[in-house]
Amino acid sequence: EAGVVQSPRYKIIEKKQPVAFWCNPISGHNTLYWYLQNLGQGPELLIRYENEEAVDDSQLPKDRFSAERLKGVDSTLKIQPAELGDSAVYLCASSLDRGPGDEQFFGPGTRLTVL
Amino acid sequence: AQSVAQPEDQVNVAEGNPLTVKCTYSVSGNPYLFWYVQYPNRGLQFLLKYITGDNLVKGSYGFEAEFNKSQTSFHLKKPSALVSDSALYFCAVRDPFRGGSQGNLIFGKGTKLSVKP
Repeated sequence: EAGVVQSPRYKIIEKKQPVAFWCNPISGHNTLYWYLQNLGQGPELLIRYENEEAVDDSQLPKDRFSAERLKGVDSTLKIQPAELGDSAVYLCASSLDRGPGDEQFFGPGTRLTVL
Repeated sequence: AQSVAQPEDQVNVAEGNPLTVKCTYSVSGNPYLFWYVQYPNRGLQFLLKYITGDNLVKGSYGFEAEFNKSQTSFHLKKPSALVSDSALYFCAVRDPFRGGSQGNLIFGKGTKLSVKP
């Protein structure tokens, strides 16, 4: 079974530029998560989707971050404009929608460097 | 609010020796607890979880963890460490009886495990 796919793996941009990350979850996983991982820290949830619906986006900085999950499969996370402090790893994860005990499956992440 | 603490930034172990990576949590009710491992330039990989039942949980690659409710701990253990176990380990907690953002998975800051030959 294919895992969670993310692209690009690495991205270097200048501040104030836009950037987008793409995620393809494991087939059949209804729930999709975007996490932010700063160096030396654990992942922090940005947004959680159940199918097409963003059920929790309380931690997403909506002034510059946006996300979508069209058709309830692939998802895109966008930052516009990027700031120096956005440099981090952006992780996508997915899980079955059986309950809070389900483990999450993570992609390799996109490492963003903002210059 | 729920939280999880990993008190050690780094754990150093000799190959063949037992290892322990510590985790304590704070949740108002009965927690769901998870351990994940992260290898360099890779995403997090699920190791094991505690939902209910036996306090000793066995997981992938010979790892196990013991849920201790009185000490609010969920330490990760392995009887004999391998050099290939060297990685970053994350403990995570979830309150299954809370909805919305209160029910999200909360990760510790991670513990770097270094196993020397």
